[in-house]
Amino acid sequence: QKEVEQNSGPLSVPEGAIASLNCTYSDRGSQSFFWYRQYSGKSPELIMSIYSNGDKEDGRFTAQLNKASQYVSLLIRDSQPSDSATYLCAVNAPGAGNNRKLIWGLGTSLAVNP
Amino acid sequence: SAVISQKPSRDICQRGTSLTIQCQVDSQVTMMFWYRQQPGQSLTLIATANQGSEATYESGFVIDKFPISRPNLTFSTLTVSNMSPEDSSIYLCSGTARETQYFGPGTRLLVL
Repeated sequence: QKEVEQNSGPLSVPEGAIASLNCTYSDRGSQSFFWYRQYSGKSPELIMSIYSNGDKEDGRFTAQLNKASQYVSLLIRDSQPSDSATYLCAVNAPGAGNNRKLIWGLGTSLAVNP
Repeated sequence: SAVISQKPSRDICQRGTSLTIQCQVDSQVTMMFWYRQQPGQSLTLIATANQGSEATYESGFVIDKFPISRPNLTFSTLTVSNMSPEDSSIYLCSGTARETQYFGPGTRLLVL
């Protein structure tokens, strides 16, 4: 069974700090990695995708991928109260039939305190 | 990003009945999926909706319980059949565009 693991949190950081979210995965063959944000009562929305080892930056968000260690992380700089949400890590893996599917972590709850 | 709509947004149903959820996506979407998310849990893939053929179900989900149709590229339905309280959940339609998966707003189902 392919797995994606995240610390469930809650992770609490003060406003303006850096929030660091981590995710490990078991399938060494995975090639695509995604971070989604989910506000309570809403559907997930894509924050970042990353496919190559190293860092990828987009505004206040930086995704980091290390395939050798099988982990992917998300850094949120200058955290804002509006960043308070559950962050889901998803990894592309073989699914039923010839399809590929996303394997989801349970999510990390982030609280940014004013 | 792809535009995905679902209806109904929520429903309350009696046990033993069935509910059909509709999903409409824009033309950028290639693959369509149906997920379930139970309270406090992460996403569980039910099946991949295949255009013009039977859906591909994940382990633990069967066609008799969750029949899925996708008559064309941009429309799919999921039916939750013979419902029980354990089927109370959020059902999410998802579509892939340019290797990125996007989600509809979800359908909140409560079975009494």
